[in-house]
Amino acid sequence: DAKTTQPNSMESNEEEPVHLPCNHSTISGTDYIHWYRQLPSQGPEYVIHGLTSNVNNRMASLAIAEDRKSSTLILHRATLRDAAVYYCILRFMGNNAGNMLTFGGGTRLMVKP
Amino acid sequence: EAGVTQSPTHLIKTRGQQVTLRCSPISGHTSVYWYQQALGLGLQFLLWYDEGEERNRGNFPPRFSGRQFPNYSSELNVNALELEDSALYLCASSFLQGPDTQYFGPGTRLTVL
Repeated sequence: DAKTTQPNSMESNEEEPVHLPCNHSTISGTDYIHWYRQLPSQGPEYVIHGLTSNVNNRMASLAIAEDRKSSTLILHRATLRDAAVYYCILRFMGNNAGNMLTFGGGTRLMVKP
Repeated sequence: EAGVTQSPTHLIKTRGQQVTLRCSPISGHTSVYWYQQALGLGLQFLLWYDEGEERNRGNFPPRFSGRQFPNYSSELNVNALELEDSALYLCASSFLQGPDTQYFGPGTRLTVL
């Protein structure tokens, strides 16, 4: 899988929007952009994914640059429960030969009350 | 709907011993993945099973092995435990269609003394 680059940590105030960036300059045309997060003492959980168009779900929004070399996960109103490590992962969906998730270091999001 | 379950929650072993970890996937999921999260090393892919067969393995020695049963549950076996095997072992399951989102269990915390 192509490599992603994320800031090590970010800080946000509660109830404010949070924009978590991810750079993936070597992304290929068949790579989907997935985001997972890992809350303290829990396994990772799926947040959102997309290919080219921006995506919204109940947890977050995903904004994908036109050239697909970067993306931003948007939490519209951060809560204390959103404090977690957020992982941006590229997944080749052409076939399932590999299929595992390749986790980088992620971004540790801290939310201040 | 029940999520991915893992047992035991915690385990303490000594060097040289053998350990078996268990995972029950979400109902209807045929794929099971194992990941290791050691302190300072992040989440690393270990093994992927689908329909009872090993489909892929990560860069781990052969003393890490496993199997998947006809009911799609899975076991991870680690022989000749070493101190550096101390980690959180996470199991995930997925259904190999569409976005193939992986759903993670809470993990088994293994401590090797």
